[in-house]
Amino acid sequence: GDSVTQMQGQVTLSEDDFLFINCTYSTTWYPTLFWYVQYPGEGPQLLLKVTTANNKGISRGFEATYDKGTTSFHLQKASVQESDSAVYYCVLGVWSNYQLIWGSGTKLIIKP
Amino acid sequence: EAAVTQSPRNKVTVTGGNVTLSCRQTNSHNYMYWYRQDTGHGLRLIHYSYGAGNLQIGDVPDGYKATRTTQEDFFLLLELASPSQTSLYFCASSDAGTKEDTGQLYFGEGSKLTVL
Repeated sequence: GDSVTQMQGQVTLSEDDFLFINCTYSTTWYPTLFWYVQYPGEGPQLLLKVTTANNKGISRGFEATYDKGTTSFHLQKASVQESDSAVYYCVLGVWSNYQLIWGSGTKLIIKP
Repeated sequence: EAAVTQSPRNKVTVTGGNVTLSCRQTNSHNYMYWYRQDTGHGLRLIHYSYGAGNLQIGDVPDGYKATRTTQEDFFLLLELASPSQTSLYFCASSDAGTKEDTGQLYFGEGSKLTVL
């Protein structure tokens, strides 16, 4: 069936470090891949959406791409700030039944 | 900007109690969802609906009922609450199935439920 695996439960970085979060997916359908971000005390909100393999989605300094060959998609940012502290979810869109399959989330901690 | 409003924001009940969580969206979205969020499990889908009177079962439906009374309103019912249902509950809506069909979910701010 459709699935998403997000292995990094927590990432700790310092300000100005490079961020890279990776997920793998499995689906028999043409995928749409999302990254959602959840700040403390809030619901998740859309950060990026990528619908075409090897095309970049860019928002708020974050970039996302996916690779059909390795069925992986990743989120990166060149220089993180303390305000980026949040939980990041990779999400697979399955339009056969309008379902979103959620990864387990990566908590990003920025050391002051 | 899509607006999804949940109530109550906090609720404490006892084992066996009856709880209703309410959700209203004001963007005429067809799809609405109820999720629970627990440490170590991320977001898990309980029930969802694609229109008034429709109900679909999610991944963790046991112990929960839901009802979609109008396009705007989606309710989650716990008729015999148990401590295992202590969680943070999120409602969301989506424009899936409309001409916009971006697939984006718009979440409410969450309802924290504690079952003693």
